Amino acid sequence: NAGVTQTPKFQVLKTGQSMTLQCAQDMNHEYMSWYRQDPGMGLRLIHYSVGAGITDQGEVPNGYNVSRSTTEDFPLRLLSAAPSQTSVYFCASSFGLAGVGEQFFGPGTRLTVL
Amino acid sequence: RKEVEQDPGPFNVPEGATVAFNCTYSNSASQSFFWYRQDCRKEPKLLMSVYSSGNEDGRFTAQLNRASQYISLLIRDSKLSDSATYLCVVNIGTGRRALTFGSGTRLQVQP
Repeated sequence: NAGVTQTPKFQVLKTGQSMTLQCAQDMNHEYMSWYRQDPGMGLRLIHYSVGAGITDQGEVPNGYNVSRSTTEDFPLRLLSAAPSQTSVYFCASSFGLAGVGEQFFGPGTRLTVL
Repeated sequence: RKEVEQDPGPFNVPEGATVAFNCTYSNSASQSFFWYRQDCRKEPKLLMSVYSSGNEDGRFTAQLNRASQYISLLIRDSKLSDSATYLCVVNIGTGRRALTFGSGTRLQVQP
């Protein structure tokens, strides 16, 4: 099993550009989530999903959209990039629907917005 | 007040030392507790869950104190390979289906 995969690993955007961060898992997990990690802030939840077609907002959802058309994929879209979105983005998945079990993380995407 | 608070460190200890980290959480309704380990520029990985009765895994011991709302991680006989950031993770019980991560405590084990 590949586990949780994320692409790209690195990305540089200009302010106002849009892009999609890809996330896929092959463990048949229902629960998937996106976090951002900034220095001194810990991981903060952006959006999460408890199954195909079901998504909900986390702690810091503004400026981001998600969709979940399949169990495997959970892409994160930046609508109009801003320097404040410079961060490391982690996708995670877990068994069950409650999102409180062991989280399996992808390797992360390092995003810089100029 | 942050929902989950940790001392950022760094904790610099010699090989073989015993080191302990604490983490406090704000919501008394919190139900699930974990310690994750994150190596530099890598993703977090589960180190151990924290149960009400405490639990031990080799050199690592985790304990929960509900009355004072903190969890602890004790590492005995520190190895160079233990150098990492240790994240305290809590389900804070607000109904949101997610975990809340502390900002981490950095440990540097020195030869």
